[in-house]
Amino acid sequence: AQTVTQSQPEMSVQEAETVTLSCTYDTSESNYYLFWYKQPPSRQMILVIRQEAYKQQNATENRFSVNFQKAAKSFSLKISDSQLGDTAMYFCAFTPRSYNTDKLIFGTGTRLQVFP
Amino acid sequence: DSGVTQTPKHLITATGQRVTLRCSPRSGDLSVYWYQQSLDQGLQFLIHYYNGEERAKGNILERFSAQQFPDLHSELNLSSLELGDSALYFCASSAGTGTGGYEQYFGPGTRLTVT
Repeated sequence: AQTVTQSQPEMSVQEAETVTLSCTYDTSESNYYLFWYKQPPSRQMILVIRQEAYKQQNATENRFSVNFQKAAKSFSLKISDSQLGDTAMYFCAFTPRSYNTDKLIFGTGTRLQVFP
Repeated sequence: DSGVTQTPKHLITATGQRVTLRCSPRSGDLSVYWYQQSLDQGLQFLIHYYNGEERAKGNILERFSAQQFPDLHSELNLSSLELGDSALYFCASSAGTGTGGYEQYFGPGTRLTVT
């Protein structure tokens, strides 16, 4: 079975500091995609960053970057210069590259609180 | 604004009833996905449609059904509702055919409360 594990239910960070959220996954697939989604209090799901498993280079989007370790099946999210607006639930998600569906398999989420 | 619309935003109904949730994907997107977010089950994939064709089913109960119409909007039908069906139901759409890990754009969700 394909699973995604987020072992940190809650985290907190001070404004302008850096925080790293952990994610591990389990799959026998060799080709797949990984995502981090953000869900602020408004409940809207927003894509933060996307990584293709066959690409060695870690994805980066402004203050957000990932540390993708394929052998360890680890996909952590680093948020630099944290801002109050980063307060949200963060979900790690996985989708195998298939010929039929790219459904998302989500982890249980990490609630991040950014303090002033 | 993701471009995906869902109606209604909130729905309160009684056990045993039937409801229909509606989703309009982003312009041009052929894939529609339904997800359920509940406190005990987290975010779970329900079903994926591509251009009217069912592509995959997740942990979707037999009491639930969905379809995608020729104009690409989709409906999720929930029947014989139980208290445990109370959840936030998301629709998402993408430009992908189901193979390429395209970004999925989520609608604002429909909050279903079963009393």
